[in-house]
Amino acid sequence: GQQVMQIPQYQHVQEGEDFTTYCNSSTTLSNIQWYKQRPGGHPVFLIQLVKSGEVKKQKRLTFQFGEAKKNSSLHITATQTTDVGTYFCAGRDGYGNKLVFGAGTILRVKS
Amino acid sequence: GAGVSQSPSNKVTEKGKDVELRCDPISGHTALYWYRQSLGQGLEFLIYFQGNSAPDKSGLPSDRFSAERTGGSVSTLTIQRTQQEDSAVYLCASSSPGGGLYNEQFFGPGTRLTVL
Repeated sequence: GQQVMQIPQYQHVQEGEDFTTYCNSSTTLSNIQWYKQRPGGHPVFLIQLVKSGEVKKQKRLTFQFGEAKKNSSLHITATQTTDVGTYFCAGRDGYGNKLVFGAGTILRVKS
Repeated sequence: GAGVSQSPSNKVTEKGKDVELRCDPISGHTALYWYRQSLGQGLEFLIYFQGNSAPDKSGLPSDRFSAERTGGSVSTLTIQRTQQEDSAVYLCASSSPGGGLYNEQFFGPGTRLTVL
């Protein structure tokens, strides 16, 4: 079945440093979504990418979808303490198929 | 309601007892997922309901776990003869295909289950 791998598992950065998490799927995806879970909270949707090679930005966050639609990345520029949490990618390999989540990357930011 | 609701928010039970966890999805959402999340871990997929199709039960860890969705709305996750390793937060999420678009999942606040 479809598998979604995410790395790194954990990253601890100094405030102001950049951060990137990577997501790879075993199958070609129809779309990929990114979620953020704050400590003690539940996952909240950030963005969805659909097109091959698509790049979207949300303030300091940049999301990319690979040309082959099998990988994606989330890059945060100049991290802040408010960025702390777990970032999950989730991909679907066909209409009506279930969304499959990666294991998540835990981000800690030292001030 | 405006979002996905789950009840109870916390459940403490004794080993060997049965528990039922409830999820009320957003009205009109045809897709409903159950996940399990242990402390500091990722989301473990349990079961997926999509409209009137047969549910995808491939994530259920054992036959002690079952779920149903009545009338395409409310869902109940049942764990029979609970074990200590069942302790976790159980999250429910719903989404709608909405005109062919792959929409986001809306998560409920979760039920924290503790098995003593």
